[in-house]
Amino acid sequence: DGGITQSPKYLFRKEGQNVTLSCEQNLNHDAMYWYRQDPGQGLRLIYYSQIVNDFQKGDIAEGYSVSREKKESFPLTVTSAQKNPTAFYLCASLGTVNTEAFFGQGTRLTVV
Amino acid sequence: DAKTTQPPSMDCAEGRAANLPCNHSTISGNEYVYWYRQIHSQGPQYIIHGLKNNETNEMASLIITEDRKSSTLILPHATLRDTAVYYCIVRVNANAGKSTFGDGTTLTVKP
Repeated sequence: DGGITQSPKYLFRKEGQNVTLSCEQNLNHDAMYWYRQDPGQGLRLIYYSQIVNDFQKGDIAEGYSVSREKKESFPLTVTSAQKNPTAFYLCASLGTVNTEAFFGQGTRLTVV
Repeated sequence: DAKTTQPPSMDCAEGRAANLPCNHSTISGNEYVYWYRQIHSQGPQYIIHGLKNNETNEMASLIITEDRKSSTLILPHATLRDTAVYYCIVRVNANAGKSTFGDGTTLTVKP
């Protein structure tokens, strides 16, 4: 079945540590996105990539980094520079033929 | 992408129609209106989209005003499982550019 997979579902890290969230899709979509969601709030765009080896900052990119070495994969690294990393992180992909975005089920990151 | 404005919350009685409004007064001529919903702690799910004509699918109907500055998502017979946050966004169709979401409308369907 085609889809978009985020792992892990829950992630705990100590303050000051970098952590990488995985996002994989087998939909053959060119574009991929990372969003952050805080309790009771909407989605805020962190980074997006329209093609392999290219990505752009979204509205809240500070403290995050991404890579897009393969079409299928768009990992997000939450660095120690992110001052409040505890949040729900959502990955999405979008094709040029199918015009709806597909979302993963999210990773809930807790930094203690 | 054009900005959208939605009411923060709405209630609806089970079995009745839920009408969720969205304002997008700065929408461009080539931008579509998309609706998604997010059930608690899950990824958003696509519902419907349209350009200027009204659209209907198995989940909902989308009514877009003639000037395209606002739209309404209609869930014809709301059920308790329709309780969710509903997001209205506008973007160029098949444009894989920046895609932003607002805070959405929290719809609570009550028995």
